[in-house]
Amino acid sequence: GQQVQQSPASLVLQEGENAELQCNFSSTATRLQWFYQHPGGRLVSLFYNPSGTKHTGRLTSTTVTNERRSSLHISSSQTTDSGTYFCAISNNNAPRFGAGTKLSVKP
Amino acid sequence: EAAVTQSPRSKVAVTGGKVTLSCHQTNNHDYMYWYRQDTGHGLRLIHYSYVADSTEKGDIPDGYKASRPSQENFSLILELASLSQTAVYFCASKDRDRGYEQYFGPGTRLTVL
Repeated sequence: GQQVQQSPASLVLQEGENAELQCNFSSTATRLQWFYQHPGGRLVSLFYNPSGTKHTGRLTSTTVTNERRSSLHISSSQTTDSGTYFCAISNNNAPRFGAGTKLSVKP
Repeated sequence: EAAVTQSPRSKVAVTGGKVTLSCHQTNNHDYMYWYRQDTGHGLRLIHYSYVADSTEKGDIPDGYKASRPSQENFSLILELASLSQTAVYFCASKDRDRGYEQYFGPGTRLTVL
């Protein structure tokens, strides 16, 4: 089955630093998404990005499909960026999630 | 904005008992999903459904049943709850034709004793 590996497992930053989160997957995914989980547990979708680069605010997602990898770049991190970031892939309608990267941004 | 609600928000159950978790969405989405999340881990798909009266198995269906009696409602049933089913359960919905964004419920924290 499809495998999703995320790195690093955790990351601690000082406010203002940039972050780069990685996602590697084992098959050519047609649907690559990034999700954010608030420290309190709420989950939200960030990006649907099967290929190429997408931006929203301080977040940039870049997916290179034939290399089976995606990255999430967070620029000028803020304490409110703290939480866990997941990538997920699916070739049908059954998404498979990675284990996540837990980000802590210190003031 | 899409609204997905779950009930109960938390539950304590006894081993061997029956547990039903409910999910309701108000946005006419076709797809609904049940995931479980164990502490410090990602989400794993249990069951999903793309149409009322039909459900599909996800990656970890053993020990769980699902029911989709209407487009708005999707339930997860644990007939014989076990200690290993202690986790947080999330429901999500997605529109079939409009993008791939999933809308998640707030989660149900289930503790099996």
